[in-house]
Amino acid sequence: SSELTQGPPVSVALGQTARITCQGDSLRSYYANWYQQKPGQAPVLVIYNENNRPSGIPDRFSASSSGNTASLTITGAQAEDEADYYCNSRDNTGSHPDWLFGGGTKLTVL
Amino acid sequence: QVQLQESGPGLVKPSQTLSLTCSVSGISISSRDYHWNWIRQHPGKGLEWIGYISYTGRTYYSPSLESRLDISADTSKNQFSLKLTSVTAADTAVYFCARDEGYYFDHWGQGVLVTVSS
Repeated sequence: SSELTQGPPVSVALGQTARITCQGDSLRSYYANWYQQKPGQAPVLVIYNENNRPSGIPDRFSASSSGNTASLTITGAQAEDEADYYCNSRDNTGSHPDWLFGGGTKLTVL
Repeated sequence: QVQLQESGPGLVKPSQTLSLTCSVSGISISSRDYHWNWIRQHPGKGLEWIGYISYTGRTYYSPSLESRLDISADTSKNQFSLKLTSVTAADTAVYFCARDEGYYFDHWGQGVLVTVSS
C-alpha cells in the first residue's frame, strides 16, 4: 500500500495563518480528510472530501488539493487550534480498499 | 446523536488475545452505507487503521495485522468487536472505534488504552 507524508511541526502566531501539508499518491485518486486531535482526546473531523467542514467547525479551517498534495489552512489561528492534525484518505493499491493516515503535524499557536 | 464507546481490558499479557468491544448508539450498525472501524494510536505516535466491518458483515483488515485479527459484529446488541491474537508490547496503544461513510471518519469513540505487559 502507499502512504501519506506530512510535514514538520508548524508554529503560528495568534491570529496568523497556518498551513499544513500532506503528500501521497492516493491523493491523486481520493480526497483528503483532516482531523484535529488534542491531547488525551479522540480525533475530530475538521475537513472532509477535500474542502467541506462538518457542522460546528469554524470557517477559519479550509483545505485545498493539487496533484498528490493536500493542504489544510487555518486562517486567523486561535489558541484552541493548537493540536495535532492528521490527513487521511482511502487507498486502493492493495487487494482491497483500505485507509491511510499521515503521520500527523503538531501545530503550536504562539 | 451517534455515539461510540469502546470497552475492554486495559491490560493484556504477551502472547494472549486482546479483545475490545465498541457499543454504538444513535444508529443501527446494520444501517446501509456505513462501516465500523478499529483504529489505534501507539503512545506518542500517529493513527493506524486496523480494519473494519461493513454493514453487510464483510470485513477488511490491514495487511500488516490480517493474520492476527478478527472483527465481528453483534447486531442484536448493536456492537462490534476486535480480537487481536498473539499480542506483544508493540500492540500497546490507544484503540479507537470509528464510523466511516465511505470517504471519511465522522464519528469516533473516546478511545481505550490497552497495555501489553506481563
